[in-house]
Amino acid sequence: DAGITQSPRYKITETGRQVTLMCHQTWSHSYMFWYRQDLGHGLRLIYYSAAADITDKGEVPDGYVVSRSKTENFPLTLESATRSQTSVYFCASRDGPRVTEAFFGQGTRLTVV
Amino acid sequence: DQQVKQNSPSLSVQEGRISILNCDYTNSMFDYFLWYKKYPAEGPTFLISISSIKDKNEDGRFTVFLNKSAKHLSLHIVPSQPGDSAVYFCAAGGAGTALIFGKGTTLSVSS
Repeated sequence: DAGITQSPRYKITETGRQVTLMCHQTWSHSYMFWYRQDLGHGLRLIYYSAAADITDKGEVPDGYVVSRSKTENFPLTLESATRSQTSVYFCASRDGPRVTEAFFGQGTRLTVV
Repeated sequence: DQQVKQNSPSLSVQEGRISILNCDYTNSMFDYFLWYKKYPAEGPTFLISISSIKDKNEDGRFTVFLNKSAKHLSLHIVPSQPGDSAVYFCAAGGAGTALIFGKGTTLSVSS
């Protein structure tokens, strides 16, 4: 399917466990982003990537790791999950450095217990 | 410190009337501004944008106004429809950077 897809859609994990959220896009967009949505905070940028093997921190990067070995994939890893990382995570992509619209995935709801 | 601010968490409007959603920003380097719409359990979807060289952009029922001197933008929806009920996010960015979003405004349009 064309577009941007996230997996899993829902995930429950325990405190201290490592968990990876997947993001895949079929447009060959150069830029990809991870945001988290929390009540009262809106959408906050975690990490973004301008191209394969190029990543940069956003507003709330602590506790997260990203990699981008292929243009189409941008996984987000929580190295040791904490309850404060319970959130809805959105991946997005856009075509190039010009600030045109970014296209979002459907989100992953992560609960850390 | 918030770079993009949406100071009204919610707005209620009657069907057929105008909805005005507001957004303020602090970073003078922003040169592109966007509005996104989000329904529950879905990802945000792009609605309308404006670059800093313009002061107005219109697309059907949606118009975005930009006042650079005041670092303020607004989204007008005329006429409002019940299907417009959603969370609206203001976002801003510059070339080569990521979009920074506000906290969102929940719009409720009653019939």
